Amino acid sequence: GQNIDQPTEMTATEGAIVQINCTYQTSGFNGLFWYQQHAGEAPTFLSYNVLDGLEEKGRFSSFLSRSKGYSYLLLKELQMKDSASYLCATPSGAAGNKLTFGGGTRVLVKP
Amino acid sequence: SQTIHQWPATLVQPVGSPLSLECTVEGTSNPNLYWYRQAAGRGLQLLFYSVGIGQISSEVPQNLSASRPQDRQFILSSKKLLLSDSGFYLCAWSNLDSGNTIYFGEGSWLTVV
Repeated sequence: GQNIDQPTEMTATEGAIVQINCTYQTSGFNGLFWYQQHAGEAPTFLSYNVLDGLEEKGRFSSFLSRSKGYSYLLLKELQMKDSASYLCATPSGAAGNKLTFGGGTRVLVKP
Repeated sequence: SQTIHQWPATLVQPVGSPLSLECTVEGTSNPNLYWYRQAAGRGLQLLFYSVGIGQISSEVPQNLSASRPQDRQFILSSKKLLLSDSGFYLCAWSNLDSGNTIYFGEGSWLTVV
């Protein structure tokens, strides 16, 4: 089964960098997803890592280490609009086409 | 491009009343369809999962049921709502073209009173 852990809440200053860690234990590995969810809204897809290493997408980067069961989402040059919850998720099910989510990390960006 | 739409966006229902939330997907065929629930301040919990018409997997025992009468239509129902059914309900889809990435609808806020 899946066991996903991420911090509950983080606070950072506008313009700074924040790193959100996620550790997971899965019976079979098919990648690691990150989603962003603003308060009261649906989650939106940010990134998907299936191989080890860092993938960069503008101000957001995601890192994966399969041997350590560890991923992080890096948010650079923080903006107020980045205040949201960030959800880590791993595929589950026989075909790997379901997603099991962590509890989410709420990031509060302060001016 | 693919779109997903669910409705109603918000509803307030008395305990014991029925529920029907509907979701449709456009721009894709043979999608996997999902119903997730998010209780206040909690994580996302997968309720139902469907790989095709009439094929429904229930992930957790509960007071709800799901149906898929058409390829791109997914319905969440209850005959008698409980207070604990309150939450944010999210329909979602994926398929091979999406790389199994799941995309969510706008969500439906249900308050049972």
